[in-house]
Amino acid sequence: AQSVSQHNHHVILSEAASLELGCNYSYGGTVNLFWYVQYPGQHLQLLLKYFSGDPLVKGIKGFEAEFIKSKFSFNLRKPSVQWSDTAEYFCAVNLYNQGGKLIFGQGTELSVKP
Amino acid sequence: SAVISQKPSRDICQRGTSLTIQCQVDSQVTMMFWYRQQPGQSLTLIATANQGSEATYESGFVIDKFPISRPNLTFSTLTVSNMSPEDSSIYLCSVLLGGPSSYNEQFFGPGTRLTVL
Repeated sequence: AQSVSQHNHHVILSEAASLELGCNYSYGGTVNLFWYVQYPGQHLQLLLKYFSGDPLVKGIKGFEAEFIKSKFSFNLRKPSVQWSDTAEYFCAVNLYNQGGKLIFGQGTELSVKP
Repeated sequence: SAVISQKPSRDICQRGTSLTIQCQVDSQVTMMFWYRQQPGQSLTLIATANQGSEATYESGFVIDKFPISRPNLTFSTLTVSNMSPEDSSIYLCSVLLGGPSSYNEQFFGPGTRLTVL
């Protein structure tokens, strides 16, 4: 069965530190890839998405992600985190031609210390 | 984008009862989805609800337990039937703007936090 794995359950960083959250998926076909964020008390919001083209995609709030097809990975990065980035981050995969449904990773809770 | 509201935002229910969750969208959408997020876990798709057809359920979810209605292009309901404490979760609806195979994203509602005693 298709699955999405996020390597880190909980990450704690100080402000200005660099961030990289890992995401791997298991599916050999064409995929669309997403990172969603859920800030405390708020609903899920899209950070960025990859459908095709340049494998390095930029999202909101200075986040970027790189799709490496050979590694089935879509890692999220940010060069310098802020306290306001404290949130839960979800990687998700949409299997092409299987409707719009998303398969989510387990989520990574990011805590940024001021 | 789409603005999605859900009612109720939270509820505490007794085992054996049922709860119907409403999802309202501010624009007409073809595809709506219902997800469950159990405590400490990720989101799991329950079913896809397209207007004018029966909902399509994912493995492990059945219509008798989670009946869904989709009477029009802006509204859907999910009922959690004969609840047990294991049904305690956050239930979210989402919508997909555009078609299923085009370059679109899903927008999520705020969720309904259900606690079953």
